[in-house]
Amino acid sequence: DAKTTQPPSMDCAEGRAANLPCNHSTISGNEYVYWYRQIHSQGPQYIIHGLKNNETNEMASLIITEDRKSSTLILPHATLRDTAVYYCIVRADQTGANNLFFGTGTRLTVIP
Amino acid sequence: GAGVSQTPSNKVTEKGKYVELRCDPISGHTALYWYRQSLGQGPEFLIYFQGTGAADDSGLPNDRFFAVRPEGSVSTLKIQRTERGDSAVYLCASSLFGVAPYNEQFFGPGTRLTVL
Repeated sequence: DAKTTQPPSMDCAEGRAANLPCNHSTISGNEYVYWYRQIHSQGPQYIIHGLKNNETNEMASLIITEDRKSSTLILPHATLRDTAVYYCIVRADQTGANNLFFGTGTRLTVIP
Repeated sequence: GAGVSQTPSNKVTEKGKYVELRCDPISGHTALYWYRQSLGQGPEFLIYFQGTGAADDSGLPNDRFFAVRPEGSVSTLKIQRTERGDSAVYLCASSLFGVAPYNEQFFGPGTRLTVL
């Protein structure tokens, strides 16, 4: 699976959009971009994933660049409960490649 | 519905002892995963079960670590002759199946293991 690079930490004002970047310059054509987050003392929680088109769900939006070498997770209206470590993971969806490779992620702090 | 549960939530043991950590996946989920998370790091994959069999155990650090899932539901992670370096949070996750699009992983709260 391709390696990802994320900033170690970011701050965001409550109510504003949080934009979390991720670089994955060595991504392969069959690899998806996944985002998970981990709130303190809890297990990781799935947020969203995509291949090449932008994706949106009730939690967030995922913007993937045309060359697929980077992506941005957008939390449109950050709340204090969004304070967590956010992990960007690149993985091929195929039988046998089911484990997730987490890096150190981005620690997002939402400030009141 | 119930999520993934793990017991105990905390386990303190002495160096050299044997420990068992239990995971109850979401009912009906065929795939089960174990991860280990050290302080300040992201979770690291240990082992993946599809049904009763270990489909991928490449993340187990050495032969002191072993996991079973005899009936394809509950899983137990077993650590023999524990070492201080085994101290970490052990996370369990399950997914409906092991292949897309049904392989979204749902994580439990973890078991914090402390080896004194």
